Amino acid sequence: DTGVSQDPRHKITKRGQNVTFRCDPISEHNRLYWYRQTLGQGPEFLTYFQNEAQLEKSRLLSDRFSAERPKGSFSTLEIQRTEQGDSAMYLCASSSGRGLAGELSYNEQFFGPGTRLTVL
Amino acid sequence: KNEVEQSPQNLTAQEGEFITINCSYSVGISALHWLQQHPGGGIVSLFMLSSGKKKHGRLIATINIQEKHSSLHITASHPRDSAVYICAVRMYSGGGADGLTFGKGTHLIIQP
Repeated sequence: DTGVSQDPRHKITKRGQNVTFRCDPISEHNRLYWYRQTLGQGPEFLTYFQNEAQLEKSRLLSDRFSAERPKGSFSTLEIQRTEQGDSAMYLCASSSGRGLAGELSYNEQFFGPGTRLTVL
Repeated sequence: KNEVEQSPQNLTAQEGEFITINCSYSVGISALHWLQQHPGGGIVSLFMLSSGKKKHGRLIATINIQEKHSSLHITASHPRDSAVYICAVRMYSGGGADGLTFGKGTHLIIQP
């Protein structure tokens, strides 16, 4: 499979529990993004990695949220002390940060299937 | 006011009709994406453009940077085109910010 994969696809948890999601990007992609989408709304940006460096974080990413990409490959998104308002689809996307000649470039983002979180 | 506005929010049309979905944005951008989302959540990238026009099969995307406006057109629409179409922009930033800002989407239903 050469696409972006996410695990789990669905997660149901009780309020106050911690949850962790995983994203495996397309193998040659050095950029990885996390987004959140609530029902009936467009996605919202959460955070972005270039290789293992977390370069950008949205103000939506409260202290209860943490994301890592330790080896510049897969990434994890952890939510601590979940709240009902955290219920959403969490989407991961990846892209190549290089152009055809190897120069720095912004390219198309490829999305994973998402992890749907329900907090009871 | 949302930085990315789409219209219409909902669109129902008959099979074969020419479809236009509009996207307006209020900030400087370096790229605009059109995305397709089917029930169940999966998002597929249709186009990324920063100027002019792109065509892929029955889909055409145009952008007018001066007017801060983009359109997605579907020719000879088919029920399988039924989905939510989302416009997203990468805002221009000297700091190299890459996170996209999304519209709320246009829910398209094509009836047989």
